[in-house]
Amino acid sequence: AQKITQTQPGMFVQEKEAVTLDCTYDTSDQSYGLFWYKQPSSGEMIFLIYQGSYDEQNATEGRYSLNFQKARKSANLVISASQLGDSAMYFCAMREGGTGTASKLTFGTGTRLQVTL
Amino acid sequence: NAGVTQTPKFQVLKTGQSMTLQCAQDMNHEYMSWYRQDPGMGLRLIHYSVGAGITDQGEVPNGYNVSRSTTEDFPLRLLSAAPSQTSVYFCASSYSETRANVLTFGAGSRLTVL
Repeated sequence: AQKITQTQPGMFVQEKEAVTLDCTYDTSDQSYGLFWYKQPSSGEMIFLIYQGSYDEQNATEGRYSLNFQKARKSANLVISASQLGDSAMYFCAMREGGTGTASKLTFGTGTRLQVTL
Repeated sequence: NAGVTQTPKFQVLKTGQSMTLQCAQDMNHEYMSWYRQDPGMGLRLIHYSVGAGITDQGEVPNGYNVSRSTTEDFPLRLLSAAPSQTSVYFCASSYSETRANVLTFGAGSRLTVL
């Protein structure tokens, strides 16, 4: 089974609107971390937001928030007030691994977001 | 602070040639890793290291070698390049290998094998 599933290959959103990018994950670990990265057309990977599995509050970083629903194993990224510069590929990732072992980051296949005027 | 530096940014090889992708970080990170990115497949882990002298395989290690002689450097070697190794390669590092640590990525190296 896929560890990280992003079911939306592409999304469009109008400038100033909010958009939700979906991510579901699969793990048997109780302790894990969930990450979102942005990859603009220039190619670099930019860290956006992190959510720990034991965090009670949903993570927020400026216009980014993570809608964490542990029972559903989902970690959706919400971008508020979209800007043209938000047009990029977005990757959901999970870092799991037991105590004493190196945790590895596993990525989804990404969602390409296009912000329109 | 330069962060994670990868060289070269672009490389074209012929089948069977060897080369080394260089990765260096100046953040005193213990954990370093190599990923490859192929269209439609996200990023996949090739090899990783939790400290100098310690390396291990990731999801797609075949055809690649690594070593970690210093904390700062983590080169990736292709011993006999194949067209299937055409990809974009990313080096990434973090303070430690534990779950909460954010990976910082290099700018990527685009490799084409003819």
